[in-house]
Amino acid sequence: GQNIDQPTEMTATEGAIVQINCTYQTSGFNGLFWYQQHAGEAPTFLSYNVLDGLEEKGRFSSFLSRSKGYSYLLLKELQMKDSASYLCAVRDRRDSSYKLIFGSGTRLLVRP
Amino acid sequence: DAGITQSPRYKITETGRQVTLMCHQTWSHSYMFWYRQDLGHGLRLIYYSAAADITDKGEVPDGYVVSRSKTENFPLTLESATRSQTSVYFCASRQQGTNEKLFFGSGTQLSVL
Repeated sequence: GQNIDQPTEMTATEGAIVQINCTYQTSGFNGLFWYQQHAGEAPTFLSYNVLDGLEEKGRFSSFLSRSKGYSYLLLKELQMKDSASYLCAVRDRRDSSYKLIFGSGTRLLVRP
Repeated sequence: DAGITQSPRYKITETGRQVTLMCHQTWSHSYMFWYRQDLGHGLRLIYYSAAADITDKGEVPDGYVVSRSKTENFPLTLESATRSQTSVYFCASRQQGTNEKLFFGSGTQLSVL
């Protein structure tokens, strides 16, 4: 089966940097996604990692280590609008659908 | 620029009733998915479809039925609603290809009384 773990809640200060970790166990890893979800809204795509290393996209970066089953999302220069849930999701290649399995999400609160 | 739309946005029903949640996408994406989102569980996959007339079960399919007679539509039916099916339901779609991201609809908040 699959298991995806991420912290339930985090708090950070506006302008700071925060790192949200995600660990996973899967026998058919085929990529890891991060999504952002504001309260009452749909998840929206942030980043995708399939190879080891860091992917940078503006204030957001995502890192992957396949050997450790570990990823993190790094948010720099935090803004109040970054208060949201961040969902880690793993793609499973064990069947042809390559479906996405989500972790429970990390709720980030950015304080002034 | 319609994208992927769900209806209704909110629904209240009673236990034992049948209810259908609609999902429509304008991109001609091959894959469509239904997830439910509950506190403490995150997004859990109910059913998915790889193409018209091809559907398969996800993690939590019991009590749900899907169909996909046309590529653009993927309705989800609760045949006899139960209180445990109170949840927020998200439909999603993506192109074929292993690194294609999911696009989500706005969700349907369903309450079963």
